[in-house]
Amino acid sequence: DAKTTQPPSMDCAEGRAANLPCNHSTISGNEYVYWYRQIHSQGPQYIIHGLKNNETNEMASLIITEDRKSSTLILPHATLRDTAVYYCIVRNSGYSTLTFGKGTMLLVSP
Amino acid sequence: GAVVSQHPSRVICKSGTSVKIECRSLDFQATTMFWYRQFPKQSLMLMATSNEGSKATYEQGVEKDKFLINHASLTLSTLTVTSAHPEDSSFYICSARGGIGRDTDTQYFGPGTRLTVL
Repeated sequence: DAKTTQPPSMDCAEGRAANLPCNHSTISGNEYVYWYRQIHSQGPQYIIHGLKNNETNEMASLIITEDRKSSTLILPHATLRDTAVYYCIVRNSGYSTLTFGKGTMLLVSP
Repeated sequence: GAVVSQHPSRVICKSGTSVKIECRSLDFQATTMFWYRQFPKQSLMLMATSNEGSKATYEQGVEKDKFLINHASLTLSTLTVTSAHPEDSSFYICSARGGIGRDTDTQYFGPGTRLTVL
């Protein structure tokens, strides 16, 4: 599975949009981009995933560039409860598992 | 999202004893379950992958005789830490990927079990 690069930390003001970038320049055509987050002392929570089209659900939006070498997770109105480590993971569909990197620590402040 | 539960959420045991952790997928049938371990300030590390009814596949460096995994049904997997030692103290997290009732490719995670070995 392709490797991803994320900034180690980001800050966001409560109520503002949080835009978390992820670089996956070696992604191959059949690999999906997954986003999870982990709030302190909890298991990871699935957020969203996509292949090449932009995706939106009740939690977030995922914007994937046309060349698929990078993506951005958008939390439209960040709240204090969105403070967590966010993981961007590239994975083949099928039988491969998720490999976690260091992620981005997002701190949402009042 | 899908619900995966773990029990217990926290356990403290004496060195040399064995500890069993249960992982259940509550609203879907999980054809594949995974066990991860997370040490403080580190990311999750995959320990093993198990398919229902089959032996688990362990990652390099994980002792299969020490970390016994049983995946006897489509909704239950157990991890037994045998002869636990203080260095086994960690946050153990299970994950399930489903075949029936859920998107088959998405992994859902349990809340984790904090193991402390004295």
